[in-house]
Amino acid sequence: DAGVIQSPRHEVTEMGQEVTLRCKPISGHDYLFWYRQTMMRGLELLIYFNNNVPIDDSGMPEDRFSAKMPNASFSTLKIQPSEPRDSAVYFCASSFSAAPLHFGNGTRLTVT
Amino acid sequence: SQQGEEDPQALSIQEGENATMNCSYKTSINNLQWYRQNSGRGLVHLILIRSNEREKHSGRLRVTLDTSKKSSSLLITASRAADTASYFCATENNYGQNFVFGPGTRLSVLP
Repeated sequence: DAGVIQSPRHEVTEMGQEVTLRCKPISGHDYLFWYRQTMMRGLELLIYFNNNVPIDDSGMPEDRFSAKMPNASFSTLKIQPSEPRDSAVYFCASSFSAAPLHFGNGTRLTVT
Repeated sequence: SQQGEEDPQALSIQEGENATMNCSYKTSINNLQWYRQNSGRGLVHLILIRSNEREKHSGRLRVTLDTSKKSSSLLITASRAADTASYFCATENNYGQNFVFGPGTRLSVLP
């Protein structure tokens, strides 16, 4: 089992650019989560899906953020336009029938 | 406010000592999970304890759950330098605030 795979591992972009983060969940898992982690705010739940359907997106900070799950094996988190305050580590996690969650190793995003 | 909050925020102990950290939550739960995060890595699930369980063991880890006090504790016995990490709890329930993590406990085990 390859685990949850996130790409890229690191992303450096300039303010105003579009950023797309990618996640491949563990095969057979029916839940997918996106989190953001910063020193100041800790680990924040942005959105989670069940069977490819968004269940709770109340943590998405603003309209600049969007997440999609077109099929059971792929999800994207898009930021457009990006801002320096979006700099963080973004984690994707997946699970079978809710808990426990299996996390990827994250994407470190730096917006200059 | 957080559904699950860990304390203390930081804990420093000597190798071989036991480490105890706590998690408090607000609503009734279906289960509570503990995770570990090593620096620069994703969280790793340690133990899940269901609401009808009071204690669970996994190797050097012991988790207790007190639903009357809405709290859980994670005990790591005979700690090792490799246990240095941040530890988080999260809950699952029928009322929302699911899969929300607290600020965590930063454990440092000194050799």
